Amino acid sequence: GDSVTQMEGPVTLSEEAFLTINCTYTATGYPSLFWYVQYPGEGLQLLLKATKADDKGSNKGFEATYRKETTSFHLEKGSVQVSDSAVYFCALRHSGNTPLVFGKGTRLSVIA
Amino acid sequence: GAGVSQSPRYKVAKRGQDVALRCDPISGHVSLFWYQQALGQGPEFLTYFQNEAQLDKSGLPSDRFFAERPEGSVSTLKIQRTQQEDSAVYLCASSLGTSGGTGELFFGEGSRLTVL
Repeated sequence: GDSVTQMEGPVTLSEEAFLTINCTYTATGYPSLFWYVQYPGEGLQLLLKATKADDKGSNKGFEATYRKETTSFHLEKGSVQVSDSAVYFCALRHSGNTPLVFGKGTRLSVIA
Repeated sequence: GAGVSQSPRYKVAKRGQDVALRCDPISGHVSLFWYQQALGQGPEFLTYFQNEAQLDKSGLPSDRFFAERPEGSVSTLKIQRTQQEDSAVYLCASSLGTSGGTGELFFGEGSRLTVL
């Protein structure tokens, strides 16, 4: 079945450092890919998405590119802030209202 | 309301008790999903409704778990005879449409269940 693998955390970075969180997937066909973020004490929120190969999703300075050849959707940000501290989840979803399939999440801590 | 609302936010149950968790989706959202999130893990799919119809319940871990959405709006997840392994955060999500996999899911804050 479909699955998503994320790099294990926790990841600790200093403010203004470059962030990469790796995500690879296994799926049949051409799923849509997502990054969700969970800030402390809050629910999951959609951060960005890409629906087809070579699409780039971006939001709040974060970017991820749908790479079909490497089945990857790595999350990047050029300069992290303390407020980016959260748990980040990579996920995929096929069309037709199938459920989201999540990775295990990567906890990011940014220190000033 | 403005977002997906879940209650209770926290529930402590003794092993063997029955619990009911409520989800109030965003008004007008057709699709509703339940997920289970164990500590340190990603959310795992439990079940899916389109309006009042439960179209997929393949993720329910046992017949102790039951979900309903009788009027196509509020949904209740019921767990009978709770066990310690049921301890988790139960997440509810809703989305507007019925077609396509690109529609955004909006999540509630979850109900944290602890079974003693």
